[in-house]
Amino acid sequence: AQSVTQPDIHITVSEGASLELRCNYSYGATPYLFWYVQSPGQGLQLLLKYFSGDTLVQGIKGFEAEFKRSQSSFNLRKPSVHWSDAAEYFCAVGPLNAGNMLTFGGGTRLMVKP
Amino acid sequence: DTGVSQDPRHKITKRGQNVTFRCDPISEHNRLYWYRQTLGQGPEFLTYFQNEAQLEKSRLLSDRFSAERPKGSFSTLEIQRTEQGDSAMYLCASRTGDSNTGELFFGEGSRLTVL
Repeated sequence: AQSVTQPDIHITVSEGASLELRCNYSYGATPYLFWYVQSPGQGLQLLLKYFSGDTLVQGIKGFEAEFKRSQSSFNLRKPSVHWSDAAEYFCAVGPLNAGNMLTFGGGTRLMVKP
Repeated sequence: DTGVSQDPRHKITKRGQNVTFRCDPISEHNRLYWYRQTLGQGPEFLTYFQNEAQLEKSRLLSDRFSAERPKGSFSTLEIQRTEQGDSAMYLCASRTGDSNTGELFFGEGSRLTVL
């Protein structure tokens, strides 16, 4: 069975500091990996996805993530955090097929200090 | 730009009552998904439609839950005889069927509180 673990429930960083959110997955085949962001009262928005090719993927809002098969990880990074990045971040894994039902991690809540 | 819309946004009900949520996907999207998100957790897959056909149902979807997509456009999720454990955010998402890598677009969710 597929699963996703986000070890950090809460993270607080100062504005302008760098950010790394951890994601570890368990999946029996080649995974299809995602990061979503959810702001209060909003739906989930896709930041980036990986399904093949270059293991470093670029997303929206200056985010990037690196797929490391040997570590079963897909960590999200941003070099300089803005106050507007405060939100909940979800990593997800799914099969690369027609159904593509995703399994989400429990989320990491990011708080940004001024 | 009309994204995925869900109605109602909030529903408060008493235990034992029935509730129904509606999802209108992005118009050209033939795939529609329902997820449930409880407080402090990530979304959990409930069920999935391709056009009007319900192709997959999670074990989370008990007999009290039923979802339909009668004309392959909007979908409804009904919960009968609600229980306090049903309190959650119910998320709808849609995507095109053109490729397996298409982005999933989520609605803002319908929050259910069962008293």
